[in-house]
Amino acid sequence: DAGVTQSPTHLIKTRGQQVTLRCSPKSGHDTVSWYQQALGQGPQFIFQYYEEEERQRGNFPDRFSGHQFPNYSSELNVNALLLGDSALYLCASSSPGEQYFGPGTRLTVT
Amino acid sequence: AQRVTQPEKLLSVFKGAPVELKCNYSYSGSPELFWYVQYSRQRLQLLLRHISRESIKGFTADLNKGETSFHLKKPFAQEEDSAMYYCALGLWGGGYNKLIFGAGTRLAVHP
Repeated sequence: DAGVTQSPTHLIKTRGQQVTLRCSPKSGHDTVSWYQQALGQGPQFIFQYYEEEERQRGNFPDRFSGHQFPNYSSELNVNALLLGDSALYLCASSSPGEQYFGPGTRLTVT
Repeated sequence: AQRVTQPEKLLSVFKGAPVELKCNYSYSGSPELFWYVQYSRQRLQLLLRHISRESIKGFTADLNKGETSFHLKKPFAQEEDSAMYYCALGLWGGGYNKLIFGAGTRLAVHP
């Protein structure tokens, strides 16, 4: 089991553009969470998906949206990119009481 | 509001010295606390959780509800302990679970 995988590894976008990040959970996990980690900060919870629905959301604007597919993989979409969206985006899949993290996607907005 | 505070951005020690990474939390309910570690060029991984009351790689952490703290300790630091350490508060409920992280402390262990 490769654990949680994310793609792409790195991404450079321009302000105003849209981006899609992808995540495959650890085998056997049906819940996927997304976190944003700005430089010098700890990860911040964006939202969580379970059974293809958003179950919980952090303090992020509607420009951040997601999707979960029947195979439990997930996408994070960010519209109208701002410079401040530059960060490492982490995906985590869950077993009861524990979250396993992927390697992250480094997004740079110029 | 739920919050996790790690007051030190950097902790620099020599090999063999004791280490204590501080973590304080704010939460009105019954907390579940974790320490995550990120070694250079590796993903974030769980180091230990308070409900397990175990020692991992020589590290221990005790939950002190009176002081709302969950400090991470190791009696003798090793160079391979150099990494970013994040304290996290786990919120489970209503079928969901999420983590609230502190800003992290970088531990640098010098030879």
